[in-house]
Amino acid sequence: AQSVTQLDSQVPVFEEAPVELRCNYSSSVSVYLFWYVQYPNQGLQLLLKYLSGSTLVKGINGFEAEFNKSQTSFHLRKPSVHISDTAEYFCAVSDLRVAAGNKLTFGGGTRVLVKP
Amino acid sequence: NAGVMQNPRHLVRRRGQEARLRCSPMKGHSHVYWYRQLPEEGLKFMVYLQKENIIDESGMPKERFSAEFPKEGPSILRIQQVVRGDSAAYFCASSPRLAGVDNEQFFGPGTRLTVL
Repeated sequence: AQSVTQLDSQVPVFEEAPVELRCNYSSSVSVYLFWYVQYPNQGLQLLLKYLSGSTLVKGINGFEAEFNKSQTSFHLRKPSVHISDTAEYFCAVSDLRVAAGNKLTFGGGTRVLVKP
Repeated sequence: NAGVMQNPRHLVRRRGQEARLRCSPMKGHSHVYWYRQLPEEGLKFMVYLQKENIIDESGMPKERFSAEFPKEGPSILRIQQVVRGDSAAYFCASSPRLAGVDNEQFFGPGTRLTVL
């Protein structure tokens, strides 16, 4: 079984400032890692994913994340946020094993509020 | 190529009534997942289906909840005798195949169920 912890439930940040959203996971098997964004009253949109290879993953809208296996972390960063980045962000993992069916285990979410 | 479609987007039911939530996966996708998002929480996996088969229902409540994905037509999540605690956003996701790197799940906009 896996679990995902997002350490910050809310992150206020000023426009054009950098932001980092923390995500730690626990799993007894290898996993894929994902970050999703949810705008108000909408579904989830994939920002980026780590499957293998380079530990620094670049996604859409200027976001990037770094996979750290030893610390079991997958923190999300953006060097300069816009008002439009106000949303809720979810970190998720899925079991690599085919039999697990790729179901996603989500963290509790981090609400980012970008202030002008 | 239309995305994942869910309907209705909003559903209001009184306690004891039935709720039927529909999900049409993306064209060419044969894997469907249902997730529930309770207020102020992250998404929780409910059930994973392929055409005509339930593969993993480990996240489904034992009573009142059922899901199907028939050979023709959308996937249906059915909640019988709804209670106030069923009020949540229900998201459907689809993916094209099970194994390998192309396992991204594409999410629909969700159905927001309110039980009065």
